This record gives sequence, C-alpha cells and structure tokens, in this order.
Amino acid sequence: EVQLVESGGGLVQPGRSMKLSCAASGFTFSNYGMAWVRQAPTKGLEWVATISYDGSSTYYRDSVKGRFTISRDNAKSTLYLQMNSLRSEDTATYYCTRDARFAYWGQGTLVTVSS
Amino acid sequence: DVVMTQTPPSLSVAIGQSVSISCKSSQSLVYSDGKTYLHWLLQSSGRSPKRLIYQVSNLDSGVPDRFSGTGSQKDFTLKISRVEAKDLGVYYCAQTTHFPWTFGGGTKLELK
Repeated sequence: EVQLVESGGGLVQPGRSMKLSCAASGFTFSNYGMAWVRQAPTKGLEWVATISYDGSSTYYRDSVKGRFTISRDNAKSTLYLQMNSLRSEDTATYYCTRDARFAYWGQGTLVTVSS
Repeated sequence: DVVMTQTPPSLSVAIGQSVSISCKSSQSLVYSDGKTYLHWLLQSSGRSPKRLIYQVSNLDSGVPDRFSGTGSQKDFTLKISRVEAKDLGVYYCAQTTHFPWTFGGGTKLELK
C-alpha cells in the first residue's frame, strides 16, 4: 500500500525557516517524481514545487522561488521542503504527492506563519 | 500561467441525480508527447485530495464507473451519474502539462 506521511509543520514566526519531510513507502520512491502542493485555510489547491525522480531537476512556483528548496533522499525514500524567509501568505496545509499525475497524497502538515 | 476555469463553483444535488462539472483551460493541455495531463481530484470534508481520473478519462482503481471524464485540448468535463452520499465534497481539475501546474477553483458538491 502506498503511503506518504508528512511531518515538520507547526507555528513559525515570519522570516524564520522550517523544513518539511515526507516519508514514502509502498512503492519504489527513486522511480518517481514528487511534488508539494499546499492549501491555505478555506482555499483551493496550489502547486508549490516538483522534483524529478533523481533530483536532477526542480521546478517552483514564482512566489516561493529563491525561498523554498525541494530535495529528496532516495536512500531514505524521503522528500523534503526547506522553507526560508517564511511569510504569512505561506500559511497552509502542505501535501506531498507522487508524480505528475497526482496519483497519491499524504495527509498533509499544517504550517502557520504568525508572530 | 495556465488558468483553469471550473464551473459551476457549487452544485446542490439529490441522491441519484446526475451532474456535470466543466473545466476549461486557457491553453491547450496537449503535451509534446501527445498526452493530455488533465486530472480530476475529490477532496472530501477534512480529508486529503484523492485522484479520481487521470489524463482526461482514465479512472483510478476503485473509482466506480459512475464517474467519467471527457474532453480534449482546452475543454474538459467530469460527469457523475447517480450521485451517492459518498460523492460529496469539492472536485478539482488540475493540469500538469505546463509549469506552473495549476488547479481549477473547485466545485463543491452538496446535498439538496
């Protein structure tokens, strides 16, 4: 059974950093691209970043470019999102999802950026 | 950016009724490999999104054939026949043909 389990969310002050993790199981992690998608409270879904199966290619939405870094450790079957210079508008539930067809989703981790 | 316009924003339905949701993109969603990366997701209340249909018309395993997806290029439709209570929630279309990947605004399916 495919499982994606996010962790690392919580309350953080504006301007600070936070690192999210997504532990994958039930499939060969190193064969698939992965992505982060977020959802602000009561809002719709918003793509954040994507990484290729081997980590050689990364893509970001403009509003996080230069502040967020997506990465992966295929030996640990884990996806990461390093978030720096956090802003109030980054407040959202962050989901990891598998591949370019959104095949599977984790349960999400809530990031609240507030002083 | 590709804008995904989803209509209607909400639908009030009776159990057993059939409904359709429209999703129109501002650009063609046909990728250079000839495939169309348009997908449909359902987010039930308080839950994570779950994919129902990928690449326009391919049903995910376990999704009943009451669901169907059609369309091409820039115009897509999700049809639900004989709505059941477990179908309620917010439906999203999403495109992964062009970066940035984008989602429709969602259609909330509620009971009448």
